[in-house]
Amino acid sequence: ETGVTQTPRHLVMGMTNKKSLKCEQHLGHNAMYWYKQSAKKPLELMFVYNFKEQTENNSVPSRFSPECPNSSHLFLHLHTLQPEDSALYLCASSQEGIGGPLFFGSGTQLSVL
Amino acid sequence: QKEVEQDPGPLSVPEGAIVSLNCTYSNSAFQYFMWYRQYSRKGPELLMYTYSSGNKEDGRFTAQVDKSSKYISLFIRDSQPSDSATYLCAMSDTGFQKLVFGTGTRLLVSP
Repeated sequence: ETGVTQTPRHLVMGMTNKKSLKCEQHLGHNAMYWYKQSAKKPLELMFVYNFKEQTENNSVPSRFSPECPNSSHLFLHLHTLQPEDSALYLCASSQEGIGGPLFFGSGTQLSVL
Repeated sequence: QKEVEQDPGPLSVPEGAIVSLNCTYSNSAFQYFMWYRQYSRKGPELLMYTYSSGNKEDGRFTAQVDKSSKYISLFIRDSQPSDSATYLCAMSDTGFQKLVFGTGTRLLVSP
C-alpha cells in the first residue's frame, strides 16, 4: 500500500446511525487532515493533527469526532448526522509545520438519509 | 466577497489548445500558491506550487502569480484528453496547513 488510503469509499447512513471513516498514510508524514468537499463549494478544512495532537478544529459540529491514535492513522467518527452533511470527506497528510504539500486520499462519499 | 474566486466552468477545449485557468483572491497576506488537479472520484493531487510572485514551469504546465493584482494563473500547453479534470487553486499565508481553496474549474479536452 502506498500514499493515503481511505475506507470505506462509499457510505450511506441514516441520521441515527454511528459510523467511522478510516484513513491510513504510508508516506512517513506526521500531520494529518480531514477536509469536507461539497458540490460547488471549496474544500473546507475540518481538523488538523500534528504528531497525533489536534492543532486545528475549524468550528466543526460535535457530531463529527476525530481520533488520531498515531501519526499514520486518522479516524472520523460520525453520529446523528444531518442530510446536509452528505459530501466527499477527504483525508490528507503532510510533513508538520509549513512542511510540504498535502497528499490526499480518494475520499469517502457519504450520503446521509 | 469570497476569499478566493474561481470560475467553475466547465471549460471545453479541443486537444492541442492552450488552456488558461485563473483565480483571484482578496487576502494580500497570501504568499503560498498551489494548483491541484482532481480527477473524478479521486482526491486532489498537487500539480504546481509557487512561493510569492513569479512564474514556474513544469513540462506543459506554467503557473504564474501576480500579487499586485491578486491573480494567479495556470497555463496548460498542448492540452490532452487526459488533462480533463477539475483544477483547484489553493493559497495560504502560513504554508500548507491552512490552505484556502477555490471551488475548482472543470476542464474538458476533446480529442
